[in-house]
Amino acid sequence: QLLLQESGPGLVKPSGTLSLSCSVSGGSIRTGSYYWGWIRQSPGKGLEWIGSVYYDGRTHYNPSLQNRVNISLDTSKDQFSLRLSSVTATDTAIYYCASPKCSDTSCYNFDLWGQGTLVIVSS
Amino acid sequence: EIVLTQSPGTLSLSPGERATLSCRASQSISSSYLAWYQQRPGQAPRLLIYNAFRRPTGIPDRFSGSGSGTDFALTISRLEPEDFAVYYCQQYDNSQITFGQGTRLDIK
Repeated sequence: QLLLQESGPGLVKPSGTLSLSCSVSGGSIRTGSYYWGWIRQSPGKGLEWIGSVYYDGRTHYNPSLQNRVNISLDTSKDQFSLRLSSVTATDTAIYYCASPKCSDTSCYNFDLWGQGTLVIVSS
Repeated sequence: EIVLTQSPGTLSLSPGERATLSCRASQSISSSYLAWYQQRPGQAPRLLIYNAFRRPTGIPDRFSGSGSGTDFALTISRLEPEDFAVYYCQQYDNSQITFGQGTRLDIK
């Protein structure tokens, strides 16, 4: 079965770029799901969708973040990545990678989630 | 962007009671695109309901979803101690995804 695991620096300086990867195990990133997504949760707050990358490399982003975000696939490593530029303290959050399991439920929700990784933006 | 508004913000109930959580969309959405999640402290969200009323394998049948158009609901028929958590609705529209702000279900 597919498993997702986030990795990356836990501390990023203000104005810098946040970079995270999500490793997909138990299957191929090219065929394992219709799309792969990033969601974040600021401390004590709700869930915010950041964006998604589809199996063919197409991307869709949250309009509030699209000027700063880039999500990409690395099929050679079975990973997908998040880059968020010009970060401020408001970008401090737990970042989750997630994906639907279209064959089990539907393609319009997130069945699989990584455990999440806390990223703090601070000097 | 479709905005999802959940109510109430906090719901205080006792084990064994029935809980009804509401999710209202700013415009009509297809039932196929509405999901509910449960999030316990320190854990990633867990999918509870998809397509507005379907349960994934392994989700107890005390959880049920209903609704259409702009008004959706999650009902927990008889609360178990492990059900006290935060619940989110989520919609998918033309590749854009939004979550509601969440309802916290507290033990009374």
